[in-house]
Formats: sequence, structure tokens, C-alpha cells
Amino acid sequence: GAGVSQSPSNKVTEKGKDVELRCDPISGHTALYWYRQRLGQGLEFLIYFQGNSAPDKSGLPSDRFSAERTGESVSTLTIQRTQQEDSAVYLCASSLWTGNSPLHFGNGTRLTVT
Amino acid sequence: QQQVKQSPQSLIVQKGGISIINCAYENTAFDYFPWYQQFPGKGPALLIAIRPDVSEKKEGRFTISFNKSAKQFSLHIMDSQPGDSATYFCAASIGSGNTGKLIFGQGTTLQVKP
Repeated sequence: GAGVSQSPSNKVTEKGKDVELRCDPISGHTALYWYRQRLGQGLEFLIYFQGNSAPDKSGLPSDRFSAERTGESVSTLTIQRTQQEDSAVYLCASSLWTGNSPLHFGNGTRLTVT
Repeated sequence: QQQVKQSPQSLIVQKGGISIINCAYENTAFDYFPWYQQFPGKGPALLIAIRPDVSEKKEGRFTISFNKSAKQFSLHIMDSQPGDSATYFCAASIGSGNTGKLIFGQGTTLQVKP
């Protein structure tokens, strides 16, 4: 079946602009996660959703970052007033539930802020 | 205390050899330790995972060895193949039953020479 889909795959934006990144999880997966991967680095947890609720937003770097999920499906990560340090690959993952269920990652959105 | 330290940063192994990647952690609350494999331009994919009540887990050519007292765990890839060339990440879950909220190591780039 279809895996986790993210769009766009690449996004180049000017400093100060807002961007929206989209994630379509695997159908039926109740848990959805956003991670950030800076060049040559490991992944950093940003936020996760259980259904449409976000119990843990502790990884969001600043109030310029926000995310929502609707219909227990699609999620959007929004970065306002982008800065050059926001340049990274943003990865979305989904799992059946939050406990003992493997994460399935999408291929990410590569964001470049010029 | 929330870090997972991974070594080496890069590794070159001959085809048929054994690849060994090591990780260390400090937080004894970690209770789930997965390894992910990532190919360029793709999201990470779960390889194998272990809980701290087990000292070793093997799946095909991949083995995790876990040393709870030393707070270390390692990935062994037996009979390494050129197709294993990828970046490998260890990770740890902070507990609370959410195995999707992970702290990742910095990654090891493995090259298997034919």
C-alpha cells in the first residue's frame, strides 16, 4: 500500500516568508510525528499527534513553528517568517499507535531559506 | 542526559566483513532502542529494535547487542554487502509508552566496498 507522502519534496523560500509543509500519513495510522534533520545531523523531534490532538509540542523550536492535523489524516507544519537556520529536511512519520508500533517515515521536504 | 552518542561518524568495510556501530546513552529512563537505515533522498526505515530486558536481538544479518549496565548498545551487520551502504541511526525512546518520540544519534555513514 501507499506509504507516508510529503509535499513538496523541495521548497526554496526567501527569508521572512511563511511556508507550509504537508504530510499524508498511512491510512489508519492514528499517530503522526514531525522531525527535522539538519545536514549531516540526526533527527530532532518536533511534535506528535494522537488523532487530531497534539499532546507533545515540546520539540517546536520557536513560536514561529506550528502544526495541525485534521480528519485524523493530513497534517500541515507551518513555519512563519522563515530564517536561514530553518533550512533542513522536515520528515513526517506515522504509526498505528504510539506504543510499540514502528514509525514509517516519508521522504521529507527539503527546505532551503535564502 | 537526553543525548544518544553514536560512533563512528563514518565506516568503510569490505564486502563480507562485519560492520559495527556503537551508541551510548545516559538517561536510564530510556526503554526502547531502535536502529534506522537511511538511503540518500529517502526517509529512515526501521531495521531492528530492542528493549532493555533483552541483551541481544538478531534479525537476519543484523544484530543488536545491549549492555544495560554500561548504558551502551551496538548494531552488528554480518556479511556486509554493498547494498548496505547507507546512513545508520541509533535512537532511544524517552519512555512513557510512546515509541515514536525518539532521540536520535548523529548517524554513521557506512560504505561497503565490493
